[in-house]
Amino acid sequence: EVQLLESGGGLVQPGGSLRLSCAASGFTFSNYAMAWVRQAPGKGLEWVSAISGGGDSIYYADSVEGRFTISRDNSKNTLYLQMNSLRAEDTAVYYCAKAHTFCTSTSCYFDYWGQGILVTVSS
Amino acid sequence: DIQMTQSPSSLSASVGDRVTITCRASQSISRYLNWYQQKPGKAPKLLIYAASTLQTGVPSRFSGSGIGTDFTLTISSLQPEDFATYYCQQSFSNLLTFGGGTKVEIK
Repeated sequence: EVQLLESGGGLVQPGGSLRLSCAASGFTFSNYAMAWVRQAPGKGLEWVSAISGGGDSIYYADSVEGRFTISRDNSKNTLYLQMNSLRAEDTAVYYCAKAHTFCTSTSCYFDYWGQGILVTVSS
Repeated sequence: DIQMTQSPSSLSASVGDRVTITCRASQSISRYLNWYQQKPGKAPKLLIYAASTLQTGVPSRFSGSGIGTDFTLTISSLQPEDFATYYCQQSFSNLLTFGGGTKVEIK
């Protein structure tokens, strides 16, 4: 059974940093692109970043480019999102998501999602 | 970036109704269009990918169509468990984008 479990969320002050983790199980992690998608309170879904299975292709939304860094450790079956220079508008539930089996790149759709982790940026 | 525009933003319907949601891309995305369902407090669930392919386990009352810039999600006979918010998402570009969502409410 595929499972994705996010951790590392919480309350942080504006300008601060936080690192999210997503522990994956139930599939061959290194074979699949992964992504982070967020949802501000009461708002829609926003794609944040994606990384290929080998970690060599990485893309970011304009809203987080230069502040967030996606990475993965395939030996630990874990996806990360390092978030720096956090702003109030980064407040959201962050989901990690697995690329669908049929996808061959990071330009993909997602068949499994974690339960989400809340990040609150506030003083 | 490719902008995705959904309409309507919300709708009210009754059980048994046929419901259609539209999604328009700001440029041609071929058939790289996917649909998700999200219920309150839950993660999104993939319904349809590549414009019209039903994800495994999704009921056949859901269907998708379209190519280029205009796409539709149709629920042929709305069931109580279908009241939720629906999102389209393009996977044509490396910079993925979602539509703003359509909330389907009980009339």
